[in-house]
Amino acid sequence: DGGITQSPKYLFRKEGQNVTLSCEQNLNHDAMYWYRQDPGQGLRLIYYSQIVNDFQKGDIAEGYSVSREKKESFPLTVTSAQKNPTAFYLCASSIVRSYNSPLHFGNGTRLTVT
Amino acid sequence: ILNVEQSPQSLHVQEGDSTNFTCSFPSSNFYALHWYRWETAKSPEALFVMTLNGDEKKKGRISATLNTKEGYSYLYIKGSQPEDSATYLCAPYSAGNMLTFGGGTRLMVKP
Repeated sequence: DGGITQSPKYLFRKEGQNVTLSCEQNLNHDAMYWYRQDPGQGLRLIYYSQIVNDFQKGDIAEGYSVSREKKESFPLTVTSAQKNPTAFYLCASSIVRSYNSPLHFGNGTRLTVT
Repeated sequence: ILNVEQSPQSLHVQEGDSTNFTCSFPSSNFYALHWYRWETAKSPEALFVMTLNGDEKKKGRISATLNTKEGYSYLYIKGSQPEDSATYLCAPYSAGNMLTFGGGTRLMVKP
């Protein structure tokens, strides 16, 4: 079955450590996205990528980094510079980055930093 | 960042009730309005992508309407069932902003 796989489901880190969240898709989609969810707020865009080796900052990119070396993979690194890293992170993809292209989401990773 | 409002924030209904909720968004530079359903412990899934003023989409017992001139969309569920319990997210796509998600409406349907 085609889909998006995020791993791990839960992640715990100490403050000051970088951590990388995995996102893999087998839908052959060109565009991929990272969103963050905090309680009471809508999903906020961290980074997106339209094609391999290209990515753009979203609304809240500070303290995060990404890479897109393969079409299937879009890992997100939460660096120690991110002030409030504890959150739920969702990865998504779409056929292309377009207004009429719906997003397909993974199951998310809940990151807790203490 | 766009201001996208969804109301109500949460809703409890009995099985068989029909219900509706609202998504409000700025009407300028509008391209499309997405609706997603997000069930607990699952990933959000797309329900509708709507682009034209007056557009109406239907999927089973769920339908949605769009007014791009005044900047709102309604989602209707006819005869709610427990399996409709989920958070419903709307997200307008506008020039320069891409998709901006509202905070969602959490629907709970009691058997």
